[in-house]
Amino acid sequence: AQKITQTQPGMFVQEKEAVTLDCTYDTSDQSYGLFWYKQPSSGEMIFLIYQGSYDEQNATEGRYSLNFQKARKSANLVISASQLGDSAMYFCAMREDYNTDKLIFGTGTRLQVFP
Amino acid sequence: NAGVTQTPKFQVLKTGQSMTLQCAQDMNHEYMSWYRQDPGMGLRLIHYSVGAGITDQGEVPNGYNVSRSTTEDFPLRLLSAAPSQTSVYFCASSWGQGEVNTEAFFGQGTRLTVV
Repeated sequence: AQKITQTQPGMFVQEKEAVTLDCTYDTSDQSYGLFWYKQPSSGEMIFLIYQGSYDEQNATEGRYSLNFQKARKSANLVISASQLGDSAMYFCAMREDYNTDKLIFGTGTRLQVFP
Repeated sequence: NAGVTQTPKFQVLKTGQSMTLQCAQDMNHEYMSWYRQDPGMGLRLIHYSVGAGITDQGEVPNGYNVSRSTTEDFPLRLLSAAPSQTSVYFCASSWGQGEVNTEAFFGQGTRLTVV
């Protein structure tokens, strides 16, 4: 069955340091997409970054990068130079059916950035 | 840019009452979905639609109905509210159209409490 696992309920990082949020997934499909969303305390879901299963390069978006290891079925989010505003919940999600927009979410990681 | 608009933002219902959560998007997206978010469980798919007149069940559909009469609107109906339906509800939309790499755009969420 399709599944997303985020094993870190909470993470702490000092401002300006880098942090890695873990995500592993389980699917038998060859074609799928992996997404990371940020949910600040205000509650909205903010798209951060996408990685396709056929992409050979790791995705990057500004301070966000995705460490994609297909053989290990992991898609870890790396945030460089953390900022206080990065404090939020982070969700990893997978879409494997390109005929719908169904997303499977992990349980999330709460990141707290301290000065 | 309105994007995905959900109403209401907050709602308190008594057990047994019915109500409709509204969702509208102005991006001409074909695909729309409803999720619920419960503490420690991430987001779970309730119902989804791949176009006007086409809906299907997600992971947790019991107690909810949907319809999609137009591309823009995708209301979620609670038939007889139960305390187990206390949750935060998110509506999402995306281009879809056979691509796995299209991000989902989320509404601001509706916080529902059933007493």
